[in-house]
Amino acid sequence: SQKIEQNSEALNIQEGKTATLTCNYTNYSPAYLQWYRQDPGRGPVFLLLIRENEKEKRKERLKVTFDTTLKQSLFHITASQPADSATYLCALGTGGTSYGKLTFGQGTILTVHP
Amino acid sequence: GAVVSQHPSRVICKSGTSVKIECRSLDFQATTMFWYRQFPKKSLMLMATSNEGSKATYEQGVEKDKFLINHASLTLSTLTVTSAHPEDSSFYICSYQWVGTDTQYFGPGTRLTVL
Repeated sequence: SQKIEQNSEALNIQEGKTATLTCNYTNYSPAYLQWYRQDPGRGPVFLLLIRENEKEKRKERLKVTFDTTLKQSLFHITASQPADSATYLCALGTGGTSYGKLTFGQGTILTVHP
Repeated sequence: GAVVSQHPSRVICKSGTSVKIECRSLDFQATTMFWYRQFPKKSLMLMATSNEGSKATYEQGVEKDKFLINHASLTLSTLTVTSAHPEDSSFYICSYQWVGTDTQYFGPGTRLTVL
């Protein structure tokens, strides 16, 4: 069956360090993968999208990699700040007749300590 | 980024009543939108896909007669939870697909509590 796993339920790091979050999937052929940030009691906020034919994307302090052979995406936040503390969700989109439909991982709760 | 609003942000109702949740895109028009639900400490689960002017497509296991979706216009969609029961208590979130992209913009969510 199809499965998306974000390997850590929670991740605690010190301010200034790089946070690395992992998203693994099985039995999917995603056309693209997205990362979202969700704060408590709020809807997800889009961060980055990476397509199946792309290896890496960057946006300011954020970097995402996508390895379709390993079926894994890594999400990095460099020079982390306490304000980065939130739940981070990965989501897969398969395109085709399911265009637009996203399947989400369970999320990783990131806490950045001052 | 695009702005999506939801109303109400919180609602508490008695078992057996119906609740309507509105989702509006404030600064763009979208032909496709999605409704999700999220249980505490769980991920978002897609409930249905809605195209303006067409009937919604529901995911497996989601009762279409219980969760009525009306995509009335390019900027407004409503989800009505009919005859709500305590197990329907959840966080309901809508999202709009930005036309020509794969990016979705999510509303702030509606917390439904059924007593």
